[in-house]
Formats: sequence, structure tokens, C-alpha cells
Amino acid sequence: DGGITQSPKYLFRKEGQNVTLSCEQNLNHDAMYWYRQDPGQGLRLIYYSQIVNDFQKGDIAEGYSVSREKKESFPLTVTSAQKNPTAFYLCASSRFDQPQHFGDGTRLSIL
Amino acid sequence: DQQVKQNSPSLSVQEGRISILNCDYTNSMFDYFLWYKKYPAEGPTFLISISSIKDKNEDGRFTVFLNKSAKHLSLHIVPSQPGDSAVYFCAASAGEYGNKLVFGAGTILRVKS
Repeated sequence: DGGITQSPKYLFRKEGQNVTLSCEQNLNHDAMYWYRQDPGQGLRLIYYSQIVNDFQKGDIAEGYSVSREKKESFPLTVTSAQKNPTAFYLCASSRFDQPQHFGDGTRLSIL
Repeated sequence: DQQVKQNSPSLSVQEGRISILNCDYTNSMFDYFLWYKKYPAEGPTFLISISSIKDKNEDGRFTVFLNKSAKHLSLHIVPSQPGDSAVYFCAASAGEYGNKLVFGAGTILRVKS
């Protein structure tokens, strides 16, 4: 089945540690996106990539980093510089003529 | 500054009746609007969209209306079913799908049987 896989579903991080969230898609989509959702808020864009080896900052990129070395993969690293990392993280992908498709998310918590 | 606003945090509707979810936007450059549905612990799924060149788009039980002069759109679900109970997000973009989406905060819909 084609789709977007985010792993793990739940992730725990100690203070001061970096952590990487995985996002893989087999939909042959060019564009990929990372969003963050906090309780009572909409999705906010962290980073997006419209082509391999290129990506742009979204609205809340501080404390995060990404890479896009392969079309299928768009990992997100939450660095120790992100002061409030506890949230639900969603990855999406799309072709340019279709709506974004989302994965089932990763919930990150700080120990 | 919130560019996309969903002012009703929640809505409760009886099964079989109409559900109307509202969304307002402030950015005149937005020309494409989408509705997503989200269940707990899952990612949003695309429901329906509308381009700014239209004022209505219908797909089965779901209809989206766009009023550009008022910068307002609404999603109508008729008839509402218990399985429609979810969080509904309105989203907008300036340009087609490949561009960034700006999301509202969502409205929790509860359909009572």
C-alpha cells in the first residue's frame, strides 16, 4: 500500500538531547512537509522541501533541522535548542497538483 | 497573527441533521482552501477543497461554500453521521497544493446518535 510512514509513534527525550523523527513515503511525491500540533492549536509548518537536496524554513523552524537526501525520506531532528519540544509531529507529502497527505504522527515527550 | 481562524472550538449535532463548520481568513492572497478531518492519534485526511474561482464545491454529503468578499468559508455535512465525529481543520494556501498550507485551530464535531 502506498502511504506515509512516521516512526516511532511515541518518542521520549531527555533534556539536552537531540532526537530524530523519521518520515518515509512511497507515493513518489516531490514535496514533503513537517508540522507541529499543540493542544487546541492548528498545525504549524516547521520545514518543507519541494525537491531533493533543497528545503525551506516554515513558520517555526527554530530549534529544528531537516535533510532531504532522498525523494522518499525527510527526517526531522529536534535539537536541544528547541525549548518546548513536547508536541505531536506530523509529516506530509504531496504532488504539486494534489492535496497534502499526512502520516499518523509521532508524539514526542520530554522526560 | 492568525491568518486562518475557526472561531468555534466545538460543535454538537444530532445524527441526521446538518453540521455547519465555519472558517474565516484574513490574507487576500489565499486562493485555495481545503478541509481536513482528523481522528485522535491519527494524521489529518483530506476531505474537500475549493478554488477561489468557485463559490461552491460538493462531494457526496460534504459541501464547501466560499464567500470571497467576506473572506469566509463553511463546510456543510448533510446528513451528519456518528462516524463524522472528529476534529475538522480548515486550511488555505496562496497558490496550488504544492505551496505552504496555513491551518486553523480546528473544530471538534460531535454527532450524537
